[in-house]
Amino acid sequence: DIQMTQSPSSVSASVGDTVTITCRASQGINNWLVWYQQIPGKAPKLLIYTASTLQSGVPSRFSGSGSGTDFTLTISGLQPEDFATYYCQQANTFPLTFGPGTRVNIK
Amino acid sequence: QLQLQESGPGLVKPSETLSLTCTVSGGPTSSSYYYWVWIRQPPGKGLEWVGSSYYSGYNYHNPSLESRLTMSVDTAKNQLSLKLTSVTAADTAVYYCARHYSSGRYWLDYWGQGTLVTVSS
Repeated sequence: DIQMTQSPSSVSASVGDTVTITCRASQGINNWLVWYQQIPGKAPKLLIYTASTLQSGVPSRFSGSGSGTDFTLTISGLQPEDFATYYCQQANTFPLTFGPGTRVNIK
Repeated sequence: QLQLQESGPGLVKPSETLSLTCTVSGGPTSSSYYYWVWIRQPPGKGLEWVGSSYYSGYNYHNPSLESRLTMSVDTAKNQLSLKLTSVTAADTAVYYCARHYSSGRYWLDYWGQGTLVTVSS
């Protein structure tokens, strides 16, 4: 199985800040990396697929990059609605696996 | 607009079988473009892929659950089903149904709202 790790596990930030979250795969997955946002009590929402492609309707302040084993999610200019938990997922092969999540808290 | 809605008992006794249904509206489960998926999330914890089902009956299962897991797609009813036998407290979670593309594009673009299943006597 491909193991996914994320750092940091949590981050505190203010509205307007830029936040960067890192995701690492235990083996190369090309660009088959996905990011989700989960607000408490809600289902996860697809943000980015193939490492850098924004899902339709997702604001452009979200961006993703990376290939192989190392990936980043950047939120530029945090908005109040962005305070949530973010998960990466490898979409390369079964079993599908997720990172443990990064919680973005209000400072 | 595709919608998915999970349903089933919210409380299951240890050693019994957890059974859930996901009703899909706004699109056919018989489409060859998609797999239909179960994901679970224990309270306060992260996401775990349970398995993916194709309309033809082909499934991928999480190896850690495979011996206890049955999944299927009923294209006539446009529903997915999940059965997990011999449950323990560790199976307590919010269970989501979702969809991903076939052909290697395994990202989940539509999700149900989730249903909490508690395993307790």
